Amino acid sequence: GENVEQHPSTLSVQEGDSAVIKCTYSDSASNYFPWYKQELGKGPQLIIDIRSNVGEKKDQRIAVTLNKTAKHFSLHITETQPEDSAVYFCAASGYSNSGYALNFGKGTSLLVTP
Amino acid sequence: DGGITQSPKYLFRKEGQNVTLSCEQNLNHDAMYWYRQDPGQGLRLIYYSQIVNDFQKGDIAEGYSVSREKKESFPLTVTSAQKNPTAFYLCATSGSARETQYFGPGTRLLVL
Repeated sequence: GENVEQHPSTLSVQEGDSAVIKCTYSDSASNYFPWYKQELGKGPQLIIDIRSNVGEKKDQRIAVTLNKTAKHFSLHITETQPEDSAVYFCAASGYSNSGYALNFGKGTSLLVTP
Repeated sequence: DGGITQSPKYLFRKEGQNVTLSCEQNLNHDAMYWYRQDPGQGLRLIYYSQIVNDFQKGDIAEGYSVSREKKESFPLTVTSAQKNPTAFYLCATSGSARETQYFGPGTRLLVL
C-alpha cells in the first residue's frame, strides 16, 4: 500500500519567516495530495490540495509544489504568523481497494514565535 | 467541519464495555470514513462507506464495527475486543469530489 513520509516532525520559526514541510510517497498511482492543519483538540482542516496534473498551487500565503517524478510534495507558508502554529499533515490518495481513503504522514508540529 | 457533527466530545469506556461514537452530516455526501489518531501519529483508516447500506474495512478494523443505515449517519462501535481503544476518533465525509475529505471535530475516547 501507499506509504507517506513527512519531515520534519517539529519546526520552529520566527514570525514573518517562511516554513517548509516536505512529504514523499511511494505509490506512483497516487494522484491527489491534500494538506491539513490541525489545532489542539480539533479535527483536521483542509487548507490546500493539489492534483497530479498540476505542479504548483498557491492560495495567499500558502503554496504546495508537487514533483511526480521524485514522488515528493511540499507545503510552503510565507510570512508566518503565530496563528499558523498547529500540526500539519500531508496525505496522498488514489483510487484503490480502500476507495479514496487518504494515507497520512505523521504530522509536523509548527511553532511560530513572535 | 460545519456540516459534520461528532458526539460526544469525550467518552469514557469501562473494561469489557462496548461504546458507540456518533457521526452525523448534513452535507449530502455519499462517502463517510472513520479514522483513529494516536499521539504523534498520522490518521489510520478504520472503516469507510461509499454508499448507504455498504461499508468496507480499512487498515485497522479489528475490534470495531459500523453501520450505514442512513446517508447522514455512520456510527462507530468500539467493542470490548479492541484492547487499546484510547485515541482520538475522527469522522470524515466526501462528496462528488470523492478524494476530497472533510473532517468532523472528533471524539476522544478514554478507558477507565
